[in-house]
Amino acid sequence: LAKTTQPISMDSYEGQEVNITCSHNNIATNDYITWYQQFPSQGPRFIIQGYKTKVTNEVASLFIPADRKSSTLSLPRVSLSDTAVYYCLVGAASGNTGKLIFGQGTTLQVKP
Amino acid sequence: DVKVTQSSRYLVKRTGEKVFLECVQDMDHENMFWYRQDPGLGLRLIYFSYDVKMKEKGDIPEGYSVSREKKERFSLILESASTNQTSMYLCASSSRLAAYYEQYFGPGTRLTVT
Repeated sequence: LAKTTQPISMDSYEGQEVNITCSHNNIATNDYITWYQQFPSQGPRFIIQGYKTKVTNEVASLFIPADRKSSTLSLPRVSLSDTAVYYCLVGAASGNTGKLIFGQGTTLQVKP
Repeated sequence: DVKVTQSSRYLVKRTGEKVFLECVQDMDHENMFWYRQDPGLGLRLIYFSYDVKMKEKGDIPEGYSVSREKKERFSLILESASTNQTSMYLCASSSRLAAYYEQYFGPGTRLTVT
Protein backbone atom coordinates (compact mmCIF):
# COMPACT_ATOMS: atom_id res chain seq x y z
CA LEU A 1 0.00 0.00 0.00
CA ALA A 2 1.40 3.33 -1.01
CA LYS A 3 1.85 5.69 1.90
CA THR A 4 2.18 9.36 1.10
CA THR A 5 4.37 12.07 2.57
CA GLN A 6 3.80 15.78 2.05
CA PRO A 7 4.95 18.96 3.81
CA ILE A 8 2.95 19.88 6.88
CA SER A 9 2.62 23.52 5.93
CA MET A 10 3.47 26.08 3.28
CA ASP A 11 3.17 29.84 3.05
CA SER A 12 2.64 31.88 -0.08
CA TYR A 13 1.52 35.31 -1.23
CA GLU A 14 -1.36 36.27 -3.43
CA GLY A 15 -0.59 35.99 -7.12
CA GLN A 16 2.22 33.47 -6.73
CA GLU A 17 2.30 29.96 -8.10
CA VAL A 18 2.31 27.29 -5.40
CA ASN A 19 3.71 23.79 -5.84
CA ILE A 20 2.98 21.10 -3.26
CA THR A 21 4.88 17.84 -3.63
CA CYS A 22 3.72 14.45 -2.40
CA SER A 23 6.04 11.44 -2.11
CA HIS A 24 4.66 7.94 -2.68
CA ASN A 25 7.63 5.64 -3.11
CA ASN A 26 5.61 2.42 -2.99
CA ILE A 27 2.96 3.35 -5.51
CA ALA A 28 1.51 0.32 -7.29
CA THR A 29 1.03 -0.09 -11.02
CA ASN A 30 -2.73 0.38 -10.86
CA ASP A 31 -2.71 3.27 -8.39
CA TYR A 32 -3.97 6.73 -9.28
CA ILE A 33 -2.94 9.98 -7.59
CA THR A 34 -5.67 12.29 -6.39
CA TRP A 35 -5.62 15.64 -4.62
CA TYR A 36 -8.30 17.11 -2.41
CA GLN A 37 -8.79 20.55 -0.87
CA GLN A 38 -10.41 21.13 2.50
CA PHE A 39 -11.61 24.38 4.04
CA PRO A 40 -12.34 24.64 7.77
CA SER A 41 -15.64 23.06 8.83
CA GLN A 42 -16.18 21.52 5.40
CA GLY A 43 -15.63 18.12 3.86
CA PRO A 44 -12.75 17.69 1.40
CA ARG A 45 -13.34 18.60 -2.24
CA PHE A 46 -11.85 16.74 -5.19
CA ILE A 47 -9.37 18.89 -7.13
CA ILE A 48 -7.57 16.73 -9.66
CA GLN A 49 -6.52 13.17 -10.45
CA GLY A 50 -3.85 11.65 -12.65
CA TYR A 51 -1.93 8.52 -13.50
CA LYS A 52 1.18 9.78 -15.28
CA THR A 53 2.73 12.85 -16.95
CA LYS A 54 0.62 15.99 -16.64
CA VAL A 55 -3.03 16.70 -16.03
CA THR A 56 -4.56 20.17 -16.05
CA ASN A 57 -8.03 21.45 -15.24
CA GLU A 58 -9.52 24.83 -14.46
CA VAL A 59 -8.28 24.71 -10.88
CA ALA A 60 -4.83 23.15 -10.90
CA SER A 61 -2.18 21.10 -12.68
CA LEU A 62 -0.77 17.78 -11.57
CA PHE A 63 2.73 16.75 -12.58
CA ILE A 64 3.77 13.11 -12.28
CA PRO A 65 7.31 12.02 -13.25
CA ALA A 66 7.98 8.83 -15.16
CA ASP A 67 8.80 6.78 -12.05
CA ARG A 68 5.55 7.95 -10.38
CA LYS A 69 7.21 7.99 -6.95
CA SER A 70 6.12 11.55 -6.39
CA SER A 71 3.64 14.07 -7.72
CA THR A 72 3.32 17.85 -7.61
CA LEU A 73 0.12 19.82 -7.33
CA SER A 74 0.51 23.24 -8.92
CA LEU A 75 -1.86 26.10 -8.10
CA PRO A 76 -1.41 29.07 -10.44
CA ARG A 77 -1.69 32.58 -9.05
CA VAL A 78 -3.15 31.75 -5.66
CA SER A 79 -5.58 34.02 -3.85
CA LEU A 80 -6.53 34.31 -0.19
CA SER A 81 -9.41 31.92 -0.81
CA ASP A 82 -6.94 29.15 -1.67
CA THR A 83 -5.93 28.99 1.99
CA ALA A 84 -6.85 25.44 2.89
CA VAL A 85 -5.49 21.99 3.65
CA TYR A 86 -4.46 19.96 0.60
CA TYR A 87 -4.46 16.17 0.72
CA CYS A 88 -2.65 13.74 -1.53
CA LEU A 89 -4.31 10.35 -2.01
CA VAL A 90 -2.90 7.29 -3.72
CA GLY A 91 -4.87 4.16 -4.47
CA ALA A 92 -6.39 1.82 -6.99
CA ALA A 93 -9.07 3.01 -9.36
CA SER A 94 -11.23 0.00 -8.62
CA GLY A 95 -11.34 -3.19 -6.67
CA ASN A 96 -10.53 -3.45 -3.00
CA THR A 97 -10.18 0.03 -1.58
CA GLY A 98 -10.37 -0.97 2.03
CA LYS A 99 -7.08 0.76 2.58
CA LEU A 100 -7.69 4.23 1.22
CA ILE A 101 -4.80 6.33 2.47
CA PHE A 102 -4.81 10.08 2.74
CA GLY A 103 -1.58 11.93 3.35
CA GLN A 104 -1.27 14.09 6.46
CA GLY A 105 -2.25 17.10 4.44
CA THR A 106 -0.44 20.33 3.69
CA THR A 107 -1.82 23.49 5.23
CA LEU A 108 -1.38 26.27 2.70
CA GLN A 109 -1.54 29.79 4.06
CA VAL A 110 -1.89 32.50 1.43
CA LYS A 111 -0.95 35.96 2.64
CA PRO A 112 -1.95 39.31 1.14
CA ASP B 1 -24.25 18.61 -8.45
CA VAL B 2 -23.70 15.71 -6.15
CA LYS B 3 -25.11 16.26 -2.74
CA VAL B 4 -24.06 14.32 0.31
CA THR B 5 -25.90 15.17 3.48
CA GLN B 6 -25.26 14.12 7.03
CA SER B 7 -27.96 13.99 9.68
CA SER B 8 -26.30 16.33 12.16
CA ARG B 9 -23.53 18.94 12.09
CA TYR B 10 -22.96 18.70 15.83
CA LEU B 11 -23.79 15.92 18.26
CA VAL B 12 -23.11 15.46 21.97
CA LYS B 13 -23.52 12.01 23.50
CA ARG B 14 -22.66 10.34 26.79
CA THR B 15 -20.26 7.47 27.26
CA GLY B 16 -21.99 4.15 26.67
CA GLU B 17 -24.76 5.52 24.49
CA LYS B 18 -25.55 3.99 21.11
CA VAL B 19 -24.98 6.56 18.40
CA PHE B 20 -26.26 6.60 14.83
CA LEU B 21 -24.75 8.83 12.19
CA GLU B 22 -26.72 8.97 8.97
CA CYS B 23 -25.50 9.84 5.50
CA VAL B 24 -27.56 10.25 2.34
CA GLN B 25 -26.37 10.86 -1.22
CA ASP B 26 -28.57 11.84 -4.14
CA MET B 27 -26.46 10.77 -7.13
CA ASP B 28 -27.15 7.03 -7.23
CA HIS B 29 -23.52 6.31 -6.31
CA GLU B 30 -22.53 2.72 -5.68
CA ASN B 31 -19.74 3.47 -3.21
CA MET B 32 -20.07 5.12 0.15
CA PHE B 33 -17.47 5.75 2.84
CA TRP B 34 -17.17 6.77 6.47
CA TYR B 35 -14.04 8.57 7.70
CA ARG B 36 -13.02 10.23 10.91
CA GLN B 37 -10.77 13.24 11.04
CA ASP B 38 -8.59 14.15 13.99
CA PRO B 39 -5.97 16.88 14.35
CA GLY B 40 -2.56 15.68 13.25
CA LEU B 41 -3.91 12.39 11.91
CA GLY B 42 -5.67 13.49 8.76
CA LEU B 43 -8.58 11.45 7.42
CA ARG B 44 -8.82 7.79 8.32
CA LEU B 45 -11.19 5.31 6.72
CA ILE B 46 -13.52 3.50 9.09
CA TYR B 47 -15.71 1.49 6.71
CA PHE B 48 -16.82 1.58 3.14
CA SER B 49 -19.59 -0.01 1.11
CA TYR B 50 -19.59 -0.77 -2.60
CA ASP B 51 -23.19 -1.94 -2.84
CA VAL B 52 -26.35 -2.36 -0.81
CA LYS B 53 -25.76 -4.65 2.18
CA MET B 54 -22.05 -4.90 1.30
CA LYS B 55 -19.37 -3.48 3.55
CA GLU B 56 -15.66 -3.68 4.10
CA LYS B 57 -13.46 -2.60 6.96
CA GLY B 58 -11.18 0.34 6.57
CA ASP B 59 -8.16 1.25 8.66
CA ILE B 60 -9.90 1.79 11.99
CA PRO B 61 -13.14 -0.24 12.19
CA GLU B 62 -12.85 -1.13 15.89
CA GLY B 63 -15.73 0.22 17.91
CA TYR B 64 -17.86 0.93 14.84
CA SER B 65 -20.36 -0.86 12.65
CA VAL B 66 -22.21 0.20 9.52
CA SER B 67 -25.46 -0.46 7.75
CA ARG B 68 -26.46 -0.01 4.14
CA GLU B 69 -30.02 -1.14 3.52
CA LYS B 70 -30.67 1.30 0.67
CA LYS B 71 -28.33 2.50 -2.02
CA GLU B 72 -28.55 6.15 -1.05
CA ARG B 73 -28.10 5.73 2.70
CA PHE B 74 -25.07 4.64 4.72
CA SER B 75 -25.20 4.62 8.50
CA LEU B 76 -22.35 4.57 10.98
CA ILE B 77 -23.12 3.05 14.38
CA LEU B 78 -21.22 3.45 17.60
CA GLU B 79 -22.58 0.60 19.70
CA SER B 80 -21.25 2.03 22.96
CA ALA B 81 -19.75 5.45 22.55
CA SER B 82 -16.46 6.20 24.26
CA THR B 83 -14.58 9.45 24.78
CA ASN B 84 -11.87 8.42 22.29
CA GLN B 85 -14.55 8.46 19.60
CA THR B 86 -14.90 12.20 19.93
CA SER B 87 -14.06 13.34 16.44
CA MET B 88 -15.24 14.83 13.15
CA TYR B 89 -17.00 12.18 11.08
CA LEU B 90 -17.15 12.56 7.32
CA CYS B 91 -19.26 10.61 4.86
CA ALA B 92 -18.41 10.37 1.17
CA SER B 93 -19.73 8.73 -1.97
CA SER B 94 -18.39 7.93 -5.41
CA SER B 95 -19.54 6.37 -8.63
CA ARG B 96 -18.10 3.01 -9.62
CA LEU B 97 -17.92 4.09 -13.22
CA ALA B 98 -16.15 7.37 -12.58
CA ALA B 99 -12.53 7.52 -11.47
CA TYR B 100 -12.77 5.64 -8.23
CA TYR B 101 -11.13 8.19 -6.07
CA GLU B 102 -13.31 11.11 -7.08
CA GLN B 103 -15.21 11.09 -3.85
CA TYR B 104 -17.84 13.61 -2.81
CA PHE B 105 -17.89 14.49 0.86
CA GLY B 106 -20.62 15.64 3.17
CA PRO B 107 -20.19 18.59 5.56
CA GLY B 108 -19.24 16.38 8.48
CA THR B 109 -20.65 15.64 11.94
CA ARG B 110 -18.66 16.82 14.93
CA LEU B 111 -19.33 14.26 17.64
CA THR B 112 -18.45 14.90 21.26
CA VAL B 113 -18.66 12.02 23.73
CA THR B 114 -18.64 13.10 27.37
